[in-house]
Amino acid sequence: KQEVTQIPAALSVPEGENLVLNCSFTDSAIYNLQWFRQDPGKGLTSLLLIQSSQREQTSGRLNASLDKSSGRSTLYIAASQPGDSATYLCAANNNAGNMLTFGGGTRLMVKP
Amino acid sequence: DAGITQSPRHKVTETGTPVTLRCHQTENHRYMYWYRQDPGHGLRLIHYSYGVKDTDKGEVSDGYSVSRSKTEDFLLTLESATSSQTSVYFCAISEGGGRTHNEQFFGPGTRLTVL
Repeated sequence: KQEVTQIPAALSVPEGENLVLNCSFTDSAIYNLQWFRQDPGKGLTSLLLIQSSQREQTSGRLNASLDKSSGRSTLYIAASQPGDSATYLCAANNNAGNMLTFGGGTRLMVKP
Repeated sequence: DAGITQSPRHKVTETGTPVTLRCHQTENHRYMYWYRQDPGHGLRLIHYSYGVKDTDKGEVSDGYSVSRSKTEDFLLTLESATSSQTSVYFCAISEGGGRTHNEQFFGPGTRLTVL
């Protein structure tokens, strides 16, 4: 059974810092890995999707990497802003039914 | 944003009553999903659908049933609600499944409280 872990559970940084969020998974036979953002009381917003054949994806100040052999993905946020404050979730998809297995999330606070 | 709506957005009900949550999409995506989110357990899949009248169970399907009679609508029913089903329920959609077109997009959620 796939297990997804995100460390740290919470992170507080000053505005402008570059930061890395970590995601690890136990079953490397994934179809893809997806990163989401969730604001308090809101739904999930898809940030980046990395297919199993890809090593990284970029969107604006966000860059996600995937290393299947080590069971790891990272989300890099450049020049963090207070508006980046949210919970970031990673999810692994490794079956044809598309069931996502989610990590517990990293709650990010960017202080002005 | 993907065109996904959920109704109701909030509901309070009593133990033993039936409850139906609705997910409606305007994207014409083939796959639809129901997840629940709970503190300490994160997000877990309840049921999913891979086409009209085609559904399958997820990780935590006990006590839930689903129906999909149209591409745009996916209903989640709690036949007899219990307090353990108090949760936030999210609907998600994806264009396809497996290795292609598999990015999932989530709705705004329904907060259900069972007293």
